[in-house]
Amino acid sequence: QVQLVQSGAGAEVKKTGASLKVSCKTSGYTFTGYFIHWVRQAPGQGLEWVGRINPSSGVTNYAQKFRDRVTMTRDTSITTVDMELRNLRYDDTAMYYCARHKDGLDVWGQGTTVIVSS
Amino acid sequence: QSVLTQPPSASGTPGQNLTVSCSGSGSNIGSNNVYWYQQFPGTAPKVLIYNNNKRPSGVPDRFSGSKSGTSASLAISGLRSEDEADYFCAAWDDSLSVVIGGGTKVTVL
Repeated sequence: QVQLVQSGAGAEVKKTGASLKVSCKTSGYTFTGYFIHWVRQAPGQGLEWVGRINPSSGVTNYAQKFRDRVTMTRDTSITTVDMELRNLRYDDTAMYYCARHKDGLDVWGQGTTVIVSS
Repeated sequence: QSVLTQPPSASGTPGQNLTVSCSGSGSNIGSNNVYWYQQFPGTAPKVLIYNNNKRPSGVPDRFSGSKSGTSASLAISGLRSEDEADYFCAAWDDSLSVVIGGGTKVTVL
C-alpha cells in the first residue's frame, strides 16, 4: 500500500537559529510519478503550505514566505524527499506533514512535531 | 491572513444540510481546481473533494463540492455527528503556490 513515513519518532526540539531536516520516505507507488508537498500546522492553527517538489525532475516551488529559508530535495534511489528549514524561529513550531499529490493530497505522512525554543 | 476566505465556524443539527464557503480570486479558484480537506483533532487531513467536485473512493456521497467564478462550496447533506471536524479549502495559485483557507470548524449540535 502507499505509505509516506516521516522521520522523527517524537518531537524534534530545536533552538532558534538552528536548522531542521525532515525526511519523507515513500513506498508502494511510482516515486517519480507524483509531486510531494509539505504542509505545516502550528498548534491550534490552520494548514500552511510550505512548498512542493517534483520527484522526477527535482524542480521545486516554495511559498513566498519560506523561499529564502527552505530547501526540498529528493533521492530517487531511496524514494525519499527531504525538507530543510533554516534559521528557525519560534513561530516555526508546528506539525510538519509531507503529502503526495494525486487526486488532491491523497496520502499523508504521520507528521513530525517540531518545537523551537531558546 | 489566509488567501482563501472561509467562515471560521458553521453548525447544524443532525440531518440538516450544511454548506461551507471558500472565496478566492482569479489567480487561484478562478483559474484552478479546488480541493477540500477534512481534519479531525490530532490527525492528518484527508481529501474529501478534488478537482472542484470529485470524490475519492470511500468518501460518502453526502459530501459534494462546487465552484462558481472565484468561489467554491462544500456541501454536507444529512449532517451526522461524525462530520464534526475542521474543513479546509485549497487551490493552486498562478503565482506557483498552493493557497489554503483558514479552515471552518463544523459543529453538529
